[in-house]
Amino acid sequence: DGGITQSPKYLFRKEGQNVTLSCEQNLNHDAMYWYRQDPGQGLRLIYYSQIVNDFQKGDIAEGYSVSREKKESFPLTVTSAQKNPTAFYLCASSFGQGGQPQHFGDGTRLSIL
Amino acid sequence: DQQVKQNSPSLSVQEGRISILNCDYTNSMFDYFLWYKKYPAEGPTFLISISSIKDKNEDGRFTVFLNKSAKHLSLHIVPSQPGDSAVYFCAATRGDGANSKLTFGKGITLSVRP
Repeated sequence: DGGITQSPKYLFRKEGQNVTLSCEQNLNHDAMYWYRQDPGQGLRLIYYSQIVNDFQKGDIAEGYSVSREKKESFPLTVTSAQKNPTAFYLCASSFGQGGQPQHFGDGTRLSIL
Repeated sequence: DQQVKQNSPSLSVQEGRISILNCDYTNSMFDYFLWYKKYPAEGPTFLISISSIKDKNEDGRFTVFLNKSAKHLSLHIVPSQPGDSAVYFCAATRGDGANSKLTFGKGITLSVRP
């Protein structure tokens, strides 16, 4: 079945460590996105990528980094510079941008030890 | 500055009745709107969308209404079912695909009582 796979589902990080969240899609979508969800905050865009080897900052990119070396993969690194990393992270993809519905993975919950 | 607002954080409805979820936006450049449904610990799933050239779009029990002059849209679910209990996000974008991205509201938690 086609879809978006995020791993792991739960992730724990020690303060000062970088951690990478995986996102893989087999939908042949060009665009991929990373969102962060906090209680009562809705979804906020961290980074997005329209094509391979290209990505743009979203609304809350500070403390995060991404890469897009393959069409199917868009990993997100939460760096030690991110002061409040505890959140639910969602990856999404779409054929294009604009009016294309985005398809979401089931998320990764990151917690700080 | 919140460009997409879902001012009511929660809604409780009796099974079989109508659920009306509201959403307001401030950016007049938005011309394409989407509703997503989300269960706990899962990603959102696309529900229904509407372009600004229309004022209504219907899909089964779900209907979205758009009032451009008021910058307001609403999602109607009728009849409501217990399985509809979830968080509903309104999202908006420019549909021309020109470096556009979705802007989400904070969501409304719908509870449908049996």
